[in-house]
Amino acid sequence: GAVVSQHPSWVICKSGTSVKIECRSLDFQATTMFWYRQFPKQSLMLMATSNEGSKATYEQGVEKDKFLINHASLTLSTLTVTSAHPEDSSFYICSAPAPYSNQPQHFGDGTRLSIL
Amino acid sequence: SQQGEEDPQALSIQEGENATMNCSYKTSINNLQWYRQNSGRGLVHLILIRSNEREKHSGRLRVTLDTSKKSSSLLITASRAADTASYFCASNAGGTSYGKLTFGQGTILTVHP
Repeated sequence: GAVVSQHPSWVICKSGTSVKIECRSLDFQATTMFWYRQFPKQSLMLMATSNEGSKATYEQGVEKDKFLINHASLTLSTLTVTSAHPEDSSFYICSAPAPYSNQPQHFGDGTRLSIL
Repeated sequence: SQQGEEDPQALSIQEGENATMNCSYKTSINNLQWYRQNSGRGLVHLILIRSNEREKHSGRLRVTLDTSKKSSSLLITASRAADTASYFCASNAGGTSYGKLTFGQGTILTVHP
């Protein structure tokens, strides 16, 4: 079964709306989670590293005020796309590192965000 | 660029043929992982190969790793129509970057029945 649960799987909303995406680790604690973005026909790009109890670390070119990350507990990280616009339409996917080195990461199923 | 290179960008073959995809990465790695993604869906983990390994097999999949060239390849033998998907390599530098993956640009594989 899934070890990382991501919700919602699909969102359609109007321009200017803020959208929250949740990423939960099931049956294990994740002090760190990662958020990726994938535009159509492109690869995944890391947006930010979510750190439990401290500020997220954003990759170059990612607006921290636009993409708010909160990692309030050891099992939950949220990504809020504030005042979303059509150019924010994308596939967002989270991951949590495996507990041990040299194990594959655990990915959520992704959220398809469509801004009208 | 954050991402590694992957080639070919697209590959079209007939069922039963083998498919080979190549990946290059930029930094030293702890391991390299291959994932499959069906259209509009999430990632499916295929194989993880450690930096001290040179080859790994899983069913019809064979992955090689050449750390001196910073490259890896994925071979799918006896391909099936169900193998049609995008395939990505992802490098994991480990250390302070533990868990953080850098993805290649991906290969779109189409297997014709």
